[in-house]
Amino acid sequence: QVQLQESGPGLVKPSQTLSLTCTVSGGSISSGSYYWSWIRQPAGKGLEWIGRIYTSGSTNYNPSLKSRVTISVDTSKNQFSLKLSSVTAADTAVYYCARDYGDYDYWGQGTLVTVSS
Amino acid sequence: EIVMTQSPATLSVSPGERATLSCRASQSVSSNLAWYQQKPGQAPRLLIYGASTRATGIPARFSGSGSGTEFTLTISSLQSEDFAVYYCQQYNNWRSTFGGGTKVEIK
Repeated sequence: QVQLQESGPGLVKPSQTLSLTCTVSGGSISSGSYYWSWIRQPAGKGLEWIGRIYTSGSTNYNPSLKSRVTISVDTSKNQFSLKLSSVTAADTAVYYCARDYGDYDYWGQGTLVTVSS
Repeated sequence: EIVMTQSPATLSVSPGERATLSCRASQSVSSNLAWYQQKPGQAPRLLIYGASTRATGIPARFSGSGSGTEFTLTISSLQSEDFAVYYCQQYNNWRSTFGGGTKVEIK
């Protein structure tokens, strides 16, 4: 059974960079034809796809965030990571990582990141 | 960007009744449509992919239909554990987008 777990700071100051890591267990991040995605959800609102990475390193980003987003993968650690720069209060949300085959069949539990000074 | 519109925003249903949720795409997404259920404090759970295929472990009371721009999620007989928010998601291209959600509440 594949499991995903997000980790990283829960509080980030405005203008700084948000950094999160997703650790995949129960299977190799390199097996199968999967992308690995980041998705976020502000409190009481809907879901927004941030971007995704293939284990080759190929990435796609949401154009609305593209200038600020970097997603990377470390296959040796079975992890992928998100960096979002120049954050503002509008970036406060629960951040999820998920396995991406078009649809998202496995999700992490989510981690709340608050942007505040 | 493909815009996904869900209706209604809130659906009030009595336990045991049928619930019908709609999702419309701003352009054709073929059958590249998924449905998710989300309960408070939890991650979304995949219910349906390919517009009509139930994900592993999903009860048969959940069914999906449609193609192109019009999709429906039907819950044939609502159980207490089905009261939640439901999202549709298109993955017809690399830029995945979600609908705004339908909250199914107890009538």
